[in-house]
Amino acid sequence: EPEVTQTPSHQVTQMGQEVILRCVPISNHLYFYWYRQILGQKVEFLVSFYNNEISEKSEIFDDQFSVERPDGSNFTLKIRSTKLEDSAMYFCASSRRGSVDTQYFGPGTRLTVL
Amino acid sequence: SQQGEEDPQALSIQEGENATMNCSYKTSINNLQWYRQNSGRGLVHLILIRSNEREKHSGRLRVTLDTSKKSSSLLITASRAADTASYFCAPSLLSTGANSKLTFGKGITLSVRP
Repeated sequence: EPEVTQTPSHQVTQMGQEVILRCVPISNHLYFYWYRQILGQKVEFLVSFYNNEISEKSEIFDDQFSVERPDGSNFTLKIRSTKLEDSAMYFCASSRRGSVDTQYFGPGTRLTVL
Repeated sequence: SQQGEEDPQALSIQEGENATMNCSYKTSINNLQWYRQNSGRGLVHLILIRSNEREKHSGRLRVTLDTSKKSSSLLITASRAADTASYFCAPSLLSTGANSKLTFGKGITLSVRP
């Protein structure tokens, strides 16, 4: 069964460094999402992406964050200058037809900022 | 808040018993999705129920939706120790368009005792 994959599974970085989290959505899906979950807290929406542009972003998704679909298969989240409070589990999700369909989540990337 | 609110916060049952979990939301929805999360792991999609459906089954899972009361319930029958996890409902809101983000509550921690 097709699934969303994410790499790396765990990323450790120093504060102020740039990180890129990678996702490969399910191949025939058109809608892509990033969510994050700080340890012990709720899963929070960051951004949605469709037709090569951001559809919606949360207030968390400030100028330090960006997303890109560099080719036909990858979907990336970049954090330009990481802060301690960016430490969280980051989940990528994809959906075939957006709001009328299931969002399938990847296994997540645990980001630790030191 | 637009998120789903789950109830109870925690549930502890004996293996073989049924587990009923409830969810309430506040605005009109396209659909409502239930997810499971094992500790420190990704979100696994369980079932999606559309706004024009009242009940849906998948294996040992039964989901109901009452749009007049803006509530849903998830029933797990004949529970197993492996069902121990956190469960989340995620409404897909009608108002946010085709890319509708999911909004998660705090979830229900289900413990199934062997």
